[in-house]
Amino acid sequence: DVKVTQSSRYLVKRTGEKVFLECVQDMDHENMFWYRQDPGLGLRLIYFSYDVKMKEKGDIPEGYSVSREKKERFSLILESASTNQTSMYLCASNAPWDRGTDTQYFGPGTRLTVL
Amino acid sequence: RKEVEQDPGPFNVPEGATVAFNCTYSNSASQSFFWYRQDCRKEPKLLMSVYSSGNEDGRFTAQLNRASQYISLLIRDSKLSDSATYLCVVTGARGGGSNYKLTFGKGTLLTVNP
Repeated sequence: DVKVTQSSRYLVKRTGEKVFLECVQDMDHENMFWYRQDPGLGLRLIYFSYDVKMKEKGDIPEGYSVSREKKERFSLILESASTNQTSMYLCASNAPWDRGTDTQYFGPGTRLTVL
Repeated sequence: RKEVEQDPGPFNVPEGATVAFNCTYSNSASQSFFWYRQDCRKEPKLLMSVYSSGNEDGRFTAQLNRASQYISLLIRDSKLSDSATYLCVVTGARGGGSNYKLTFGKGTLLTVNP
């Protein structure tokens, strides 16, 4: 059974703190993604990575950075958390399209509140 | 046109009803299409892929019209357990960075009532 795990389900941080969100997948997928989901705005792509040490900006990368040191792990970093980064953060992974499937598998999400 | 646009809903239907969701996409080079389902406070999960010829999985039927850049999902004989948000999802063109990205619609909330 495919599995994507995220380090925390709920997180509360203060403005200005550095925040790390961790994601691990056990499917040997090359591609990994970070999204945030907000009411009325849907899922928005923050960053993605298609290989170890590779990263590409998504649609809303401002205020975020990422790290992919190992194939199974993709970290999202909020360098200085702000209240407008309060959101649900979802990690996902998939295999490259040329393996015959683009299906993305999601982790359970981290609900981050920045006070 | 927005990249992926769905009926905003919400849809409230009685058990046993047939309900249809529509979705349009702007990138004519898109290659893969999906419907995901998201339960309240849960992560999205793949419901079904959408193929050019249309495909069916039990009570669910998905259709793709490339000429009109339109995708649909039909749910027949709806059950209480079908209550969820349904997300229309489209990939970028094959080849290049956009190949790896999915673009999600904002979702349509369905509530099936007893």
